[in-house]
Amino acid sequence: GAVVSQHPSRVICKSGTSVKIECRSLDFQATTMFWYRQFPKQSLMLMATSNEGSKATYEQGVEKDKFLINHASLTLSTLTVTSAHPEDSSFYICSARDQGGLGYTFGSGTRLTVV
Amino acid sequence: GENVEQHPSTLSVQEGDSAVIKCTYSDSASNYFPWYKQELGKRPQLIIDIRSNVGEKKDQRIAVTLNKTAKHFSLHITETQPEDSAVYFCAARTTGGGNKLTFGTGTQLKVEL
Repeated sequence: GAVVSQHPSRVICKSGTSVKIECRSLDFQATTMFWYRQFPKQSLMLMATSNEGSKATYEQGVEKDKFLINHASLTLSTLTVTSAHPEDSSFYICSARDQGGLGYTFGSGTRLTVV
Repeated sequence: GENVEQHPSTLSVQEGDSAVIKCTYSDSASNYFPWYKQELGKRPQLIIDIRSNVGEKKDQRIAVTLNKTAKHFSLHITETQPEDSAVYFCAARTTGGGNKLTFGTGTQLKVEL
């Protein structure tokens, strides 16, 4: 079945630095990528939706200059957390839809800890 | 936008009993309703889904029902087993806005021996 590879699985960074998270679709073309953030014991909250070759659409309250999303190809989307702060510590998960729109394939998630 | 409410937030059942989790949605344009199981630190796993043109779907011990008029849908797990213990999320997809999924708040299911 469809697979989305997400890296890194865990990352610890210092306050003020940037972290890049990658999601690759391995056996299909991801025309749309959704990026979620999940705080402990909470639900998945959509941060933004990106379509290949176009600018991402951010949900209300999500800072687009802080969470940079790039979807330059049909198999790779990246989320960069810039100037990270401890409150950005969370579980970040991507989810891809293919051109056929048959479903949503989730990455394995990235546990970000900002110290 | 879409709003999905989910109840209960925690559910404890004895092994072998049934578990029911309920969700309501707000946008009548929503047309796809998946249910996910998530274990701690892992990605959500799709366990069953239903489309708006169907009222009920069953897959072995798991079933989902949908009432479009009332805008609610439910997950039913029968003959629960300890390995069913996890957090379960419902979601709803609206065709507008990029076909994004809106998730419920989650239900922590604990199946006790």
